Amino acid sequence: RKEVEQDPGPFNVPEGATVAFNCTYSNSASQSFFWYRQDCRKEPKLLMSVYSSGNEDGRFTAQLNRASQYISLLIRDSKLSDSATYLCVVIYNDMRFGAGTRLTVKP
Amino acid sequence: NAGVTQTPKFRILKIGQSMTLQCTQDMNHNYMYWYRQDPGMGLKLIYYSVGAGITDKGEVPNGYNVSRSTTEDFPLRLELAAPSQTSVYFCASAITGELFFGEGSRLTVL
Repeated sequence: RKEVEQDPGPFNVPEGATVAFNCTYSNSASQSFFWYRQDCRKEPKLLMSVYSSGNEDGRFTAQLNRASQYISLLIRDSKLSDSATYLCVVIYNDMRFGAGTRLTVKP
Repeated sequence: NAGVTQTPKFRILKIGQSMTLQCTQDMNHNYMYWYRQDPGMGLKLIYYSVGAGITDKGEVPNGYNVSRSTTEDFPLRLELAAPSQTSVYFCASAITGELFFGEGSRLTVL
């Protein structure tokens, strides 16, 4: 089993749609969790941290479920500019990335 | 601040050649990482370092070596390049879990 697994995608959604991604992790001792965004042929950039209590940043909501060992990212009211690959990151001793979920938002 | 700087940005190697990808950061971060990203795939951890003089293997260390003699620099060496090492390489430094990436080095081995 991979240490970090993400929904395979790709997701193609119309503008204004709500879309959710999940990411599961295998190590129950994992300590910290993040969502990163990567645009085509660019370096990944931090989108948001994931806290146990859940956290929201504008149209983006991240949640952590330690019992089931997954994190999620919800994007509401999708914009064309949200088109990118979304990567989850899990920290135990090092920082491991999921394979990424590609999102395309269409007019 | 320059952040994380990687050089070179592009390189073509012949099979069997060796080279070093340079990475330097000016943020005084203790944690540094090397990842590779194959087309359409996620990032795979090659090596990481938690401070000067300390390095450790990640998921895919075979064919690579690193050193960390200073806090600022974390070079990645490829010995005997192989076509399977064709990839984009990202160096990153980290503090409190946030990674700061360089712009990447695109390496092709022919």
